[in-house]
Amino acid sequence: AQKVTQAQTEISVVEKEDVTLDCVYETRDTTYYLFWYKQPPSGELVFLIRRNSFDEQNEISGRYSWNFQKSTSSFNFTITASQVVDSAVYFCAHSGGGADGLTFGKGTHLIIQP
Amino acid sequence: EPEVTQTPSHQVTQMGQEVILRCVPISNHLYFYWYRQILGQKVEFLVSFYNNEISEKSEIFDDQFSVERPDGSNFTLKIRSTKLEDSAMYFCASSRNRQDQYSSYNSPLHFGNGTRLTVT
Repeated sequence: AQKVTQAQTEISVVEKEDVTLDCVYETRDTTYYLFWYKQPPSGELVFLIRRNSFDEQNEISGRYSWNFQKSTSSFNFTITASQVVDSAVYFCAHSGGGADGLTFGKGTHLIIQP
Repeated sequence: EPEVTQTPSHQVTQMGQEVILRCVPISNHLYFYWYRQILGQKVEFLVSFYNNEISEKSEIFDDQFSVERPDGSNFTLKIRSTKLEDSAMYFCASSRNRQDQYSSYNSPLHFGNGTRLTVT
């Protein structure tokens, strides 16, 4: 069965600090997909990234970067120079593809203090 | 940019009552999903729907739940007899393709803003 673990329940940093959110997954799928979603206080789910299991290239998008390491089954998310607007709950998720639903982690509540 | 829309944004119902949550997926999407998030907890998959039938469902999606695509635009989730523990945020989602290597590299799964269901 698939499982996504986000061990950090809550992280609090001061604005402009860098912060890394950890995600570890378990899967028996040979091909799978990993996601990060942001849930701001308003409640909606905002897509950030999808990564295919056969593409281990790391990705950078502005202040966001993702480190996918298949060897350790991790897909960590780093925010550089954090801002107050980054405050949200961040969810990592896994899918085996097809019509499978996403399996979400429990989320990490990120608090950026001014 | 096209959006998945959900109505209502908040619904209050009494225990034992039937409730229907409504969603309008993105128009050229073929796969539809419902997810649930109990307050303060993780988002949980309920059901996926394709070609007018359920593709996959989770253990949560018991006989009290049903989904329907009554016309070409709406996708509904019905809870027949609500329980207190059904109180949650319900998210609808849709995707153009299956989530596989032939899909668009961008977000394959678009979520609506959710309906907060409160059962009293």
